[in-house]
Amino acid sequence: LAKTTQPISMDSYEGQEVNITCSHNNIATNDYITWYQQFPSQGPRFIIQGYKTKVTNEVASLFIPADRKSSTLSLPRVSLSDTAVYYCLVGPLGGYQKVTFGTGTKLQVIP
Amino acid sequence: SAVISQKPSRDICQRGTSLTIQCQVDSQVTMMFWYRQQPGQSLTLIATANQGSEATYESGFVIDKFPISRPNLTFSTLTVSNMSPEDSSIYLCSVPWGAPTEAFFGQGTRLTVV
Repeated sequence: LAKTTQPISMDSYEGQEVNITCSHNNIATNDYITWYQQFPSQGPRFIIQGYKTKVTNEVASLFIPADRKSSTLSLPRVSLSDTAVYYCLVGPLGGYQKVTFGTGTKLQVIP
Repeated sequence: SAVISQKPSRDICQRGTSLTIQCQVDSQVTMMFWYRQQPGQSLTLIATANQGSEATYESGFVIDKFPISRPNLTFSTLTVSNMSPEDSSIYLCSVPWGAPTEAFFGQGTRLTVV
């Protein structure tokens, strides 16, 4: 699985948009990009997934440039409850593959 | 979606003893995964548990230390054997779901070894 690199931590004020960028230079043609969110004392939760361009759901948006060597998770108007660790990972198509987590980005939302 | 229940949610154990963690899923799934999350760290995959076959362990993890059972398609156990303080971690089970690399996770078992 392609290795990912993310900032270790980020701070943001409530109400701001937060963008977390992940680098995955060695992403393969058949890899998807997936983001998870983990609150303290809970298991990770799947947030969003994409292959290219832009994906949006009720929680976040995922921006993927044409070369797919990076991706950006965008959280609109964060609140204190968005304080969590966010993991970016890549994995192939073709049935389920084991999920390998990188270091993650610890987001602290400040009132 | 899948609902995953783990037991116990937390435990404090004496070194040298063993603890068995249970993972129950509300749906039948072919594969289940066990992870370890050491304090302040990311998740590390321990092994893949398939029903009807022996578990597949990742590098650095061995069956004697982390025996796994998978008696049916909704249940698995992970045993942490001969525990030492270095085994103090959160242990999580996970099942695949839907899209590639999409998975549901249990709430985890917080283990402290004293």
